[in-house]
Amino acid sequence: RKEVEQDPGPFNVPEGATVAFNCTYSNSASQSFFWYRQDCRKEPKLLMSVYSSGNEDGRFTAQLNRASQYISLLIRDSKLSDSATYLCVSLTGANNLFFGTGTRLTVIP
Amino acid sequence: DAGVIQSPRHEVTEMGQEVTLRCKLISGHNSLFWYRQTMMRGLELLIYFNNNVPIDDSGMPEDRFSAKMPNASFSTLKIQPSEPRDSAVYFCASKIHASGNTIYFGEGSWLTVV
Repeated sequence: RKEVEQDPGPFNVPEGATVAFNCTYSNSASQSFFWYRQDCRKEPKLLMSVYSSGNEDGRFTAQLNRASQYISLLIRDSKLSDSATYLCVSLTGANNLFFGTGTRLTVIP
Repeated sequence: DAGVIQSPRHEVTEMGQEVTLRCKLISGHNSLFWYRQTMMRGLELLIYFNNNVPIDDSGMPEDRFSAKMPNASFSTLKIQPSEPRDSAVYFCASKIHASGNTIYFGEGSWLTVV
């Protein structure tokens, strides 16, 4: 079983829509979580960290549910520029970063 | 500030040839990671170093793969001999120290083995 699992999508949504991605992790000892964004043929870049209390950054909201071992990312008012692959990441120990295979999002005009 | 710098950006080579991928860390960072990304398997950690010392190489596929960090700012990933199934994007990434959370990726080396 993979450490981190995501629905690969693709999610095709119209501009202005709200879209949510979920991700599950298998190791209950994982202590930190992140969402990374990867554009086509580019490197992954940190989008936001995920805190137990939930956190928001503009149109993006991340939440963590430790009891069910899942992480979510909500994007409100989708923009064309949000089209990318979103990678869910868990950190176990000092350096054991595990990436999901990513969820592909396409925002349609 | 310069980010993580990788070379070559693209390489096409014949099966059996040696491939050397290079990475320069962000100045001041002392943890380095090598990842491989394919459509089927996503991002897989191959090996990581802290302060030039390899900490976990359990992700290295087999003996054909080797990684070194001869100094604090530079690393190489070598594949010898290369095989078509090694075709992938190889990312190098660094972070500021072992307990730092944010990892910064280079632009990747796109390898095709024919």
